[in-house]
Amino acid sequence: QSALTQPASVSGSPGQSITISCTGSSSDIGSYNLISWYQQYPGEAPRLILYGVTQRPSGVSDRFSGSKSGNTASLTISGLQAADEADYYCWSYTGSRTVTFGGGTKLTVL
Amino acid sequence: QVQLQESGPGLVKPSQTLSLTCTVSGGSFSSVDYYWSWIRQRPGKGLEWLAYIFYRGDTYYNPSLKSRVAMSIDTSKRQFSLQVSSVTGADTAVYYCARVRRDSGGYPHHFDQWGQGALVTVSS
Repeated sequence: QSALTQPASVSGSPGQSITISCTGSSSDIGSYNLISWYQQYPGEAPRLILYGVTQRPSGVSDRFSGSKSGNTASLTISGLQAADEADYYCWSYTGSRTVTFGGGTKLTVL
Repeated sequence: QVQLQESGPGLVKPSQTLSLTCTVSGGSFSSVDYYWSWIRQRPGKGLEWLAYIFYRGDTYYNPSLKSRVAMSIDTSKRQFSLQVSSVTGADTAVYYCARVRRDSGGYPHHFDQWGQGALVTVSS
């Protein structure tokens, strides 16, 4: 079971949009819409920001959006704010009742 | 509002067994809508899923750790537990317990509630 592949880091200026990719395979992302994204600040527990590829939990800004194409899922943050600076992790069901996280992406707001 | 709280020793000696318990308050515990899970994060590293369990006891493990990891659940106490055997320094991590939404097909859908995490250090 291998982790999903994310860029180690991305950056953007306030007000811009950024996209974080999460690349898996035909056995995980390509086969299921059981994909979610988590935001984590240093020293804190992760927080769910997207599930089911595109769904936002109550209280999560609509600046966060998700999509999927083939074996790659993506998280887009629009109108970048300083408070968005955090680590982001994708997650997917991988079959046989197992799941996996991406390696994580550090977002820097310039 | 559901809350999850990890508890257990913060220091474990190499070769021994790491044991943690997660206590759940609020919400429904013995529900077909959820699994209960453990995730860890080594210092400076990413999230690693370890295992999840259904309230009836059905358990699913990360294949890479399956031989050393065991989960159990006690619905009367609203607790679930993790044991990791034969620990080494590589098992030093913050261990999180979390609730997993379960869809109608029985698939894990997403982690919707997390505990604050418990740091466990493996050292003699």
